[in-house]
Formats: sequence, C-alpha cells, structure tokens
Amino acid sequence: AQTVTQSQPEMSVQEAETVTLSCTYDTSENNYYLFWYKQPPSRQMILVIRQEAYKQQNATENRFSVNFQKAAKSFSLKISDSQLGDTAMYFCAFRADFGNEKLTFGTGTRLTIIP
Amino acid sequence: EAGVAQSPRYKIIEKRQSVAFWCNPISGHATLYWYQQILGQGPKLLIQFQNNGVVDDSQLPKDRFSAERLKGVDSTLKIQPAKLEDSAVYLCASSPNRAHSYEQYFGPGTRLTVT
Repeated sequence: AQTVTQSQPEMSVQEAETVTLSCTYDTSENNYYLFWYKQPPSRQMILVIRQEAYKQQNATENRFSVNFQKAAKSFSLKISDSQLGDTAMYFCAFRADFGNEKLTFGTGTRLTIIP
Repeated sequence: EAGVAQSPRYKIIEKRQSVAFWCNPISGHATLYWYQQILGQGPKLLIQFQNNGVVDDSQLPKDRFSAERLKGVDSTLKIQPAKLEDSAVYLCASSPNRAHSYEQYFGPGTRLTVT
C-alpha cells in the first residue's frame, strides 16, 4: 500500500515571496504519478501540477514547479511570486500507473499568503 | 463545460438516521469517484465506478454505505444508519476514463454533520 506524508500542517508567507511545500511518499511501484491539488476555502479541489515518475524533468506550470527526487521519494511544490489567491489547502497525491488508479492523498498543508 | 455537480451542499442529521448524496459528473466522463474527507485529513476513496460497474469499493463500509450508478451517468451515495464518525465532506469526482484518471475533476462536496 502507498502512503503519502505532508509534514507541514500550516505555512504562511508574504505576498510575492516564494514558498516550498514538502511531500514524501512510500511505494514499491516503479511507475506512478504524483500530483499537487489545491483546495481553496469553501471551493472545490483543482489539480495544480502532475509529475510522471518515469520523467526525469521536473514539471512546471507557470508559477508552480516541483522538485521530484525519485530515489528519495520526495515531491515538493514550489510556488513563486505568491499571490493572495494561492491561499488554500494543498494536497499531495499518489496514483499507481497500472491496475489501480485511485488517488492516495496526504493530510494537506494549509498555506496562507499574507498581504 | 459544466463541472461536477453535487447536492445537497450541506446536511445535518442525527445518528442512526439515513442520508443520500447525489452527484452528476461532467458529461461524457466514464469514471466516477466518491471520496470521504474528514476534517484535517486528505480525501479517502470510498468507491470508483467505470460506467455503471464498480471498479474499487475496498474502503467502502458496506454495512452502512451503499452507492449506485445505474445508468452510468449520475450517482447516489447512501448512508444508513449514520454514525457520528461519518461527519465529513463527501466529494464526488469524475474523469474521462480509467486511462486518464490523473485528470480527476472534483465537485464542491457535501458537508455532512451527524449529531
């Protein structure tokens, strides 16, 4: 069974600064996907970024990028030039490649952007 | 395109009562998921449908929870009888098909409070 651990329950950062959210996972799979989801207050969860384990290049989506360290089973999210709209719960999630497509989520990090 | 719809948005019931939640996925999406998100935790998959068939219900408490997707479109999740520990947000998500389940689109959720 896979596990996903987010060790930072809460974080805060000044607007326009850079913040990094941590995630580690445990799996015996070799092929899998990792995700960061954002859940704003009272709003629905949306996908921020996705990383395929077989890709060595770290995924980037505008101000969001990841640092994927497969050997260390680490998958951190960096948010650059943070904006007030980035305030949300952020969940790291794992999905195996074949046979079991369910998402396994971490416990989340509550990120607050301070004006 | 319309998103995933869920109703009701909020529900308060007493323990031992019954409750039902409804989900209408994005049009054309073959795969539908129900997640339970307890306060302070990440979402946990309860059941996954592919069209009107069950793919994974290993974490569904079948003595009290049931779900159906009779025509392969909308779905209903029922709890009977409810317990205090069922208080949570119930999220519905859909994806185009199993091969693309990394693209899961979430609804706004139903917040259930059991008193």
